[in-house]
Amino acid sequence: DQQVKQNSPSLSVQEGRISILNCDYTNSMFDYFLWYKKYPAEGPTFLISISSIKDKNEDGRFTVFLNKSAKHLSLHIVPSQPGDSAVYFCAASRRTGNQFYFGTGTSLTVIP
Amino acid sequence: DVKVTQSSRYLVKRTGEKVFLECVQDMDHENMFWYRQDPGLGLRLIYFSYDVKMKEKGDIPEGYSVSREKKERFSLILESASTNQTSMYLCASSSHPWTGKGPYNEQFFGPGTRLTVL
Repeated sequence: DQQVKQNSPSLSVQEGRISILNCDYTNSMFDYFLWYKKYPAEGPTFLISISSIKDKNEDGRFTVFLNKSAKHLSLHIVPSQPGDSAVYFCAASRRTGNQFYFGTGTSLTVIP
Repeated sequence: DVKVTQSSRYLVKRTGEKVFLECVQDMDHENMFWYRQDPGLGLRLIYFSYDVKMKEKGDIPEGYSVSREKKERFSLILESASTNQTSMYLCASSSHPWTGKGPYNEQFFGPGTRLTVL
């Protein structure tokens, strides 16, 4: 059973506009969330994370929002750049645990 | 610079062959993981290990086994490769939350091995 879901397999955005990628989870025990970015033929690389004690975390052009009551998180990229074109995975874990649960990924295309 | 390396980037094997995928990390991490990535299915955990000689089944362990004889090395074994095991295989490592080494709860990935079974 998929505990972390990304319901949009793909997203296209114009360069300079905002990209919003969404992620939902079902396990209320998750308390740490991460976003990874993956280019073709490369391993995923860590992008940004958020702990459940926060509802927002910002790093440059990337902001992650967490809505615990809705079990929903989103990644905002502003402004979007062509180099942001990649597959984005969200992941969830328990802070005291070892295992991560990944979503199915959203392929972002930023159109120049 | 932290590093996770995988023995091959591309591998082609025949049905029934025994296949070894090797992963090495240089970060002294306790945890190591094997995933496979397939279109529309995301990253699915095959096995993970939280210590030398320890292993735990992930979501899709059938047809796979693992070996961790040394802390830095985690091997994935396909005992008898089948065509439905054609996939991208990703190895990752992370520090245990209680070691204080940090950044814990972040997994570092290798570049992946694209395995094709004919």
